[in-house]
Amino acid sequence: EPEVTQTPSHQVTQMGQEVILRCVPISNHLYFYWYRQILGQKVEFLVSFYNNEISEKSEIFDDQFSVERPDGSNFTLKIRSTKLEDSAMYFCASSASRDRVWYFGPGTRLTVT
Amino acid sequence: AQSVTQLDSQVPVFEEAPVELRCNYSSSVSVYLFWYVQYPNQGLQLLLKYLSGSTLVKGINGFEAEFNKSQTSFHLRKPSVHISDTAEYFCAVSSSDSNYQLIWGAGTKLIIKP
Repeated sequence: EPEVTQTPSHQVTQMGQEVILRCVPISNHLYFYWYRQILGQKVEFLVSFYNNEISEKSEIFDDQFSVERPDGSNFTLKIRSTKLEDSAMYFCASSASRDRVWYFGPGTRLTVT
Repeated sequence: AQSVTQLDSQVPVFEEAPVELRCNYSSSVSVYLFWYVQYPNQGLQLLLKYLSGSTLVKGINGFEAEFNKSQTSFHLRKPSVHISDTAEYFCAVSSSDSNYQLIWGAGTKLIIKP
């Protein structure tokens, strides 16, 4: 069964550094998302992406964040200057249609020290 | 604003006993409902979903859930749990109220006692 993949599984970085989290969505999906889960808290929506542009973003997704689909398969989340509070599990998801089922990747655990 | 409530943060249950994990939501429009499971140190896996049709939905690993529109609930059940069901379970809802973004519950940790 096709699945969403994410790399790396764990990233440790120093405060102020840039990180890029990578995702490969399911190949025929059109809608892509990033969510995050701070340890012990709810899963939170960050951003949705469709037709090569951001379709919606939450208030968490400030100027430090950006997303890109650099080629036909990868979907990346960049954090320009990481803060301690960016430490979380970041999940990528993809969906074939806007209002249906999301398939999540295994997540990238980001630890900012 | 749309919200999802999982009243129980933890549910301890003996192995082979039945379990029900509760989920209530607030929405005035038609909803899509989901249960995701997160095993220790792993990602989010879709357990089951309700999009339309029969209100009793069967998922993987012997789980099922029933959509009750009048009570705005989507409780998850399993008649006999196994130690391998130890995980955190998340209820999520999407609708036009949330612009079809997934709104998540806080999660319920299912703890299986031997």
